[in-house]
Amino acid sequence: RKEVEQDPGPFNVPEGATVAFNCTYSNSASQSFFWYRQDCRKEPKLLMSVYSSGNEDGRFTAQLNRASQYISLLIRDSKLSDSATYLCVVNFGNEKLTFGTGTRLTIIP
Amino acid sequence: NAGVMQNPRHLVRRRGQEARLRCSPMKGHSHVYWYRQLPEEGLKFMVYLQKENIIDESGMPKERFSAEFPKEGPSILRIQQVVRGDSAAYFCASSPTMRDGIETQYFGPGTRLLVL
Repeated sequence: RKEVEQDPGPFNVPEGATVAFNCTYSNSASQSFFWYRQDCRKEPKLLMSVYSSGNEDGRFTAQLNRASQYISLLIRDSKLSDSATYLCVVNFGNEKLTFGTGTRLTIIP
Repeated sequence: NAGVMQNPRHLVRRRGQEARLRCSPMKGHSHVYWYRQLPEEGLKFMVYLQKENIIDESGMPKERFSAEFPKEGPSILRIQQVVRGDSAAYFCASSPTMRDGIETQYFGPGTRLLVL
């Protein structure tokens, strides 16, 4: 079983729709959680950290469920510029990041 | 306020040659991480360094790969006698000094290595 698992997609979503991604992780002792986005042939860029209480940044909402060991990302009112690969990232407490393989999202005009 | 810098951005080597990848962390950051992304795969941790120290190299292949972060100058990831399977994007990330928790890592633009 992979340490961090994501549905690879692709998700093809019309502009303006709401889309949600889930991610599961294997280590219950995991300490911190992030969503990064990666555009084609570019570096990963931090989208948001994920906190136990849930957090929101504009159109983006992240949730963490420690009991079930999953993380979610919700994107509302999707824009064409949201097209990218979304990476679920976990720090298991050893200062190195463990990445999921990413979920590819394409927003269709 | 420059971000993480990597060079070269693209590197072509023939089998058996050496590849040297450089990374300059963000100003004020003392922690450097190297990750490798094979085609169509996720990023995989390779090594974590602080100035003049390798902290965790559990993701480094046992042979041909080495990394350093000298007192002065950039961090270097060195691959000796490259093989086609080394073709990948190599990303460097940096973070500031750890205080109470785990600091966010910021990524450089990557070096795309192609081995012919």
